[in-house]
Amino acid sequence: GQQLNQSPQSMFIQEGEDVSMNCTSSSIFNTWLWYKQDPGEGPVLLIALYKAGELTSNGRLTAQFGITRKDSFLNISASIPSDVGIYFCAGPATDSWGKLQFGAGTQVVVTP
Amino acid sequence: GAGVSQSPRYKVAKRGRDVALRCDSISGHVTLYWYRQTLGQGSEVLTYSQSDAQRDKSGRPSGRFSAERPERSVSTLKIQRTEQGDSAVYLCASSTTGGTSKNIQYFGAGTRLSVL
Repeated sequence: GQQLNQSPQSMFIQEGEDVSMNCTSSSIFNTWLWYKQDPGEGPVLLIALYKAGELTSNGRLTAQFGITRKDSFLNISASIPSDVGIYFCAGPATDSWGKLQFGAGTQVVVTP
Repeated sequence: GAGVSQSPRYKVAKRGRDVALRCDSISGHVTLYWYRQTLGQGSEVLTYSQSDAQRDKSGRPSGRFSAERPERSVSTLKIQRTEQGDSAVYLCASSTTGGTSKNIQYFGAGTRLSVL
């Protein structure tokens, strides 16, 4: 089945720095989703991408749908302490009903 | 309005016992999904259902996982004969549609299951 490889696994950054993470797949996805999960909570959708080459922003977050449809990037600019959490990329499996495949997550730690 | 709600938040079970986890989805959402999340491995789907029908009974690693949908916005994940490897966070998600087209899934906070 489709597998999502997410990197890096973790990032330790200083407040104000930019953060970049990416996801790659061996097969094509028609949708890329980026979620953030805080401790003790479920994943919350940050950005949804539906078209190859699409670049979408949500505040300080920017994500891009790779032109090959096999990758996606998420950037966080000027990080703040509340950006701490685990970020997941996800995409729907090719069968019906939209079951999501998830990357393993990128843990972001922001220090003051 | 209310989001996806899961109960209990924490569950401890003795190995070999059956457990049932509940999910109350967002009113009007059609499709319900159950995912298992383990540290460092992300999340994998266990089962899902559309409307009143359970769509997929299969689970990993065997058929010990099943979901019932007693009401349109309620799903119960049942795990039979729990094993220590079942210890994980179980996430429920619901969406307004099924399919892969702009199918936004909203997640509950999860149930953390510990099998002793």
